[in-house]
Amino acid sequence: DIQLTQSPSFLSASVGDKVTITCRASQGINNRLAWYQHQVGKAPKLLIYAASTLQSGVPSRFSGSASGTEFTLTISSLQPDDFATYFCQQLNIYPWTFGQGTKVEIK
Amino acid sequence: QVQLQESGPGLVRPSETLSLTCSVSGGSLGSYYWNWVRQPPGKGLEWIGFIYQGRTTNYNPPLQSRVTISADTSKNLVYLSLRSLTAADTAVYYCARESVVTPGFVSWGQGIPVTVSS
Repeated sequence: DIQLTQSPSFLSASVGDKVTITCRASQGINNRLAWYQHQVGKAPKLLIYAASTLQSGVPSRFSGSASGTEFTLTISSLQPDDFATYFCQQLNIYPWTFGQGTKVEIK
Repeated sequence: QVQLQESGPGLVRPSETLSLTCSVSGGSLGSYYWNWVRQPPGKGLEWIGFIYQGRTTNYNPPLQSRVTISADTSKNLVYLSLRSLTAADTAVYYCARESVVTPGFVSWGQGIPVTVSS
């Protein structure tokens, strides 16, 4: 199975901060990587697909990038509604696998 | 907007079978992959499998011998059956819709917590 190593597991940040989360794949995945936001009690929400394509309706402060097997989710200016857990997923080779998640909390 | 809602028992005994239903509203099952995913307490997400067009299925190998995903396209329902339960199957279970065009799960349910315990 393809392993996704996500870092950090936890980060504390303030409103307005730039936040970067990394997801490293154990092998090449043809940029078939998605990022999700999950708030407690809500359904997870697709933010980014194909490593860097913003899902319709997602604010432009979210962006994704890729360099080989390293993928990055960036929030350019953290907003109060962005405090949540973020996780990555590879959809290149079955079984689909997920990163362990990054919890973003208010500093 | 398509909405997904999981339903089923919150508590199941060891060795028994878990049966969950995903109700899809605001759209049909159509040409989407309908997935089940779970998250055990304190752990990451695990993909269980999918059903496509009401008949094609694909399962995660560690679960393949115990899981069946089925669908009733006339009722917009997707089902998960997981047999021979143990405490390790305790998790929040999610259904999720995957587009054939967009590599990602475009819609998710809120999840249903399931505890396996006697």
